[in-house]
Amino acid sequence: GIQVEQSPPDLILQEGANSTLRCNFSDSVNNLQWFHQNPWGQLINLFYIPSGTKQNGRLSATTVATERYSLLYISSSQTTDSGVYFCAVHPGGSNYQLIWGAGTKLIIKP
Amino acid sequence: DAGITQSPRHKVTETGTPVTLRCHQTENHRYMYWYRQDPGHGLRLIHYSYGVKDTDKGEVSDGYSVSRSKTEDFLLTLESATSSQTSVYFCAISENRASGANVLTFGAGSRLTVL
Repeated sequence: GIQVEQSPPDLILQEGANSTLRCNFSDSVNNLQWFHQNPWGQLINLFYIPSGTKQNGRLSATTVATERYSLLYISSSQTTDSGVYFCAVHPGGSNYQLIWGAGTKLIIKP
Repeated sequence: DAGITQSPRHKVTETGTPVTLRCHQTENHRYMYWYRQDPGHGLRLIHYSYGVKDTDKGEVSDGYSVSRSKTEDFLLTLESATSSQTSVYFCAISENRASGANVLTFGAGSRLTVL
């Protein structure tokens, strides 16, 4: 089946720094979503981004489907950005099954 | 934000007892999902529903059953809980975008401990 790999697994930054999180997938996908799980466990959908680039405030994401990767950019990090960032993909031919990466754990120090 | 309520939020039970978790939505979304999250495994799909009385198995469905008698409610039942079912359970809903993709919105989670 399709494999989803996220890097780096852990990232520790000072407040104000920028970061880039990567998601690689091994086969064609119908779509890709980025999620943030905050330290209290809540999962928030950040982007639905099967291709192209989207921006939402300090966060932006780019998916290059032909090269099978997606990037999540966080600029001017704040302590509230801490948590785990997941990417999840729908394999080609499926609109229900989401394959999840293992996540990137981000810690922003004040 | 989509209205999703999970109950109970926390439950401690004993091995062999039945447990039902409830997911309630106010968005009238067609698709609903139950996931479990465990350290080292990420999120894994248990069951999903694509309409009233229409459900299907996910990747870790053994030991679980679901029911959806109304659009707004999706119940997850552990007929006889085991310690391996200690986990955090998340309900999610999705709307079917015009592209055919399903963008998920999650509930707050239910932490289940089986002693």
